[in-house]
Amino acid sequence: DVKVTQSSRYLVKRTGEKVFLECVQDMDHENMFWYRQDPGLGLRLIYFSYDVKMKEKGDIPEGYSVSREKKERFSLILESASTNQTSMYLCASSPGRGPHQPQHFGDGTRLSIL
Amino acid sequence: GENVEQHPSTLSVQEGDSAVIKCTYSDSASNYFPWYKQELGKGPQLIIDIRSNVGEKKDQRIAVTLNKTAKHFSLHITETQPEDSAVYFCAARKYNFNKFYFGSGTKLNVKP
Repeated sequence: DVKVTQSSRYLVKRTGEKVFLECVQDMDHENMFWYRQDPGLGLRLIYFSYDVKMKEKGDIPEGYSVSREKKERFSLILESASTNQTSMYLCASSPGRGPHQPQHFGDGTRLSIL
Repeated sequence: GENVEQHPSTLSVQEGDSAVIKCTYSDSASNYFPWYKQELGKGPQLIIDIRSNVGEKKDQRIAVTLNKTAKHFSLHITETQPEDSAVYFCAARKYNFNKFYFGSGTKLNVKP
């Protein structure tokens, strides 16, 4: 089974802090994604990566950056955390080849910015 | 881009009844449609998916139908059980694109 592991289930940080959310997958997937989940808004894509050191902006990239130095690890960075970034963050991965491959999700990190 | 709309946002059914969740998409190039179930405190898990060359797919109590002409697809859950209570998301993906487009989710409550 594919396993996507997010390093923290809950995280509390202060405004202005630099915050790192880590995600690791164990299935050698090319694609990795970061989503933000808010009530009534579904899943909104922040950034995704289709290869090591490659990244593309999603729908809401402002205030975030990402890093993918190794194939299995994808990090989301909040450069200067703000209270409106309090949310549930979900990481996902999928194979690069094959048009009918689903995404596999981690269990999320609930981030609170005080 | 693609736009996926999902209805209803909440659905309450009695145990044993059927539940239907509907999604529409805007881009006719979309050709893969997965459905996810998200239980409290967990990430979304794939429960069933359908490709654009298929009109219906079943897996025990769960089925998905696709109408390419109308650009809509639906999730059907029969003989619902309390453990079916969760948030369900539909999604769409275009061939050779890495991005998935998600609906806004349906919170299903199955009353015992």
